[in-house]
Amino acid sequence: AQTVTQSQPEMSVQEAETVTLSCTYDTSESDYYLFWYKQPPSRQMILVIRQEAYKQQNATENRFSVNFQKAAKSFSLKISDSQLGDAAMYFCAYRRVTSGTYKYIFGTGTRLKVLA
Amino acid sequence: DTGVSQNPRHKITKRGQNVTFRCDPISEHNRLYWYRQTLGQGPEFLTYFQNEAQLEKSRLLSDRFSAERPKGSFSTLEIQRTEQGDSAMYLCASSLIQAEAFFGQGTRLTVV
Repeated sequence: AQTVTQSQPEMSVQEAETVTLSCTYDTSESDYYLFWYKQPPSRQMILVIRQEAYKQQNATENRFSVNFQKAAKSFSLKISDSQLGDAAMYFCAYRRVTSGTYKYIFGTGTRLKVLA
Repeated sequence: DTGVSQNPRHKITKRGQNVTFRCDPISEHNRLYWYRQTLGQGPEFLTYFQNEAQLEKSRLLSDRFSAERPKGSFSTLEIQRTEQGDSAMYLCASSLIQAEAFFGQGTRLTVV
């Protein structure tokens, strides 16, 4: 069974600095999707960034980028120029591409605090 | 607003009562998911639909839980004979076939 592990329950970053959130996963599949979702306090979960496993190039969305290491099954999120609005829970998620189960499997999350 | 809509946002119920939640997905999305999230944890998969067909149900889900998606549009999640352990945030999400899931704001259930 696929699993997603986030080993950092909480991280802090100074405003305008850079922070990296870690995620590892376990799967025997060769093709899959990986996601980072952000969940601000008392607000809905929103997609931050998405990576297709068959793409070697790391995904980037403005200040957010990933370091996807397929062989190591590692998928970290880098937030550059951190802003107060980045404070939230961040969840790493996995989903298969091919037939079978299409459920999204989430890690336990990392709480990011941004210090002014 | 064309996002995923969930009602009610909050529900307080007495132990042993039945509750029903509703989810309206983004209109063109054919997949609909239900998740449960407890404080400080990641979302836990409950079940998902493709159109009106329920394709997978978590083995962790007891038979007190049932979900429907008539006509492949909105979905309902019913919990019968609620227990205190059912207290959680219930999240609904929808997606296209090969795309990311969009989440609603959730229904917070408190069983007293």
